[in-house]
Amino acid sequence: GENVEQHPSTLSVQEGDSAVIKCTYSDSASNYFPWYKQELGKRPQLIIDIRSNVGEKKDQRIAVTLNKTAKHFSLHITETQPEDSAVYFCAASYDYKLSFGAGTTVTVRA
Amino acid sequence: NAGVTQTPKFQVLKTGQSMTLQCAQDMNHNSMYWYRQDPGMGLRLIYYSASEGTTDKGEVPNGYNVSRLNKREFSLRLESAAPSQTSVYFCASSSDRFSEQFFGPGTRLTVL
Repeated sequence: GENVEQHPSTLSVQEGDSAVIKCTYSDSASNYFPWYKQELGKRPQLIIDIRSNVGEKKDQRIAVTLNKTAKHFSLHITETQPEDSAVYFCAASYDYKLSFGAGTTVTVRA
Repeated sequence: NAGVTQTPKFQVLKTGQSMTLQCAQDMNHNSMYWYRQDPGMGLRLIYYSASEGTTDKGEVPNGYNVSRLNKREFSLRLESAAPSQTSVYFCASSSDRFSEQFFGPGTRLTVL
């Protein structure tokens, strides 16, 4: 099955700086890569996703890049704000089975 | 429009007891999923239902059974609970396999 590795496990950034989270996947058949944000005690919520026929996607301060050859994808958050503090999960799938990374706890320091 | 709802919110069981977690969605989604979330391990898929009338195993199906009761409802059953099943359980739904999955609020289960 698919194996998704996510780094780093924790990330502390100064407000206004950028945050980058990286994920690698093992199954070359995977073609859908969503990112979820989970605030403490809340449910995961989709923040952005990308399909394998696209190399980059941007939505305001959030962007995702995908390198299918290297089998890795990254989340970039620019101009971080306190409300960006949360746990972020990457995931990969080629069918209904989403495989999640272990998560990155992002803390934005004021 | 409630989205995805789950019951109960919290549950404590003794080893060997059984229980059913309920999930319902009102978004007319075709696909539904059950995940468990353990500290440091992200979300792991237990079972999913691609469409009404079908169910399939996910990554960690052992010790669980599911029923897709109708298009709206998807239940998860623990026949004989074990301490290793202590976790937070999330139900989710999506319109198809490459669409956003909407999660329920979760059920925190403790097995003593």
